[in-house]
Amino acid sequence: EAGVTQFPSHSVIEKGQTVTLRCDPISGHDNLYWYRRVMGKEIKFLLHFVKESKQDESGMPNNRFLAERTGGTYSTLKVQPAELEDSGVYFCASSSRTGAIYGYTFGSGTRLTVV
Amino acid sequence: GQQLNQSPQSMFIQEGEDVSMNCTSSSIFNTWLWYKQDPGEGPVLLIALYKAGELTSNGRLTAQFGITRKDSFLNISASIPSDVGIYFCAGYNSGGSNYKLTFGKGTLLTVNP
Repeated sequence: EAGVTQFPSHSVIEKGQTVTLRCDPISGHDNLYWYRRVMGKEIKFLLHFVKESKQDESGMPNNRFLAERTGGTYSTLKVQPAELEDSGVYFCASSSRTGAIYGYTFGSGTRLTVV
Repeated sequence: GQQLNQSPQSMFIQEGEDVSMNCTSSSIFNTWLWYKQDPGEGPVLLIALYKAGELTSNGRLTAQFGITRKDSFLNISASIPSDVGIYFCAGYNSGGSNYKLTFGKGTLLTVNP
């Protein structure tokens, strides 16, 4: 089965520009999560979708970040306008059942660099 | 919020040596997880621990869930070059509708052949 797919794998943008990251979860997985790792820091939770609904968005840094999951399939995370501190690796993960940690699969991440 | 202190931050070892890393938390978790991240990839689950005091092995890996539920360690025996990567501990509290993981900062492992 195909894993969690994220693209782009890398993105370099200038401060003030807009970037949209995409995540395709494993087919059939209702639960989709976004995480971010800033260099040298821990991987931090951003938000959790159950199908198309936002279950928990307590980790979203501020209103420059907008996540959507139209139709409960793929998800996008838009950063507008990007700031230098937004640089990091953004991971998406999906699971088939809420709370099923053994089914929590991560994508390879999008490395975002804001210059 | 909850924080995990993971140590050491990095390790440089010779092939064949054993490795130990640990995590401590300021609060209780009812599930502890250990992940490995290879360069350019996402974290992959190595071991999951669901019960205080539990000791679980997966090949050369052994992990334990501390009795206090505030700590966990991971041991790797007889290291090999492909063990290189970043190891993350993560805590999780099941129940309710909150399924987010709290991660440590990671341990970067380098194995010299």
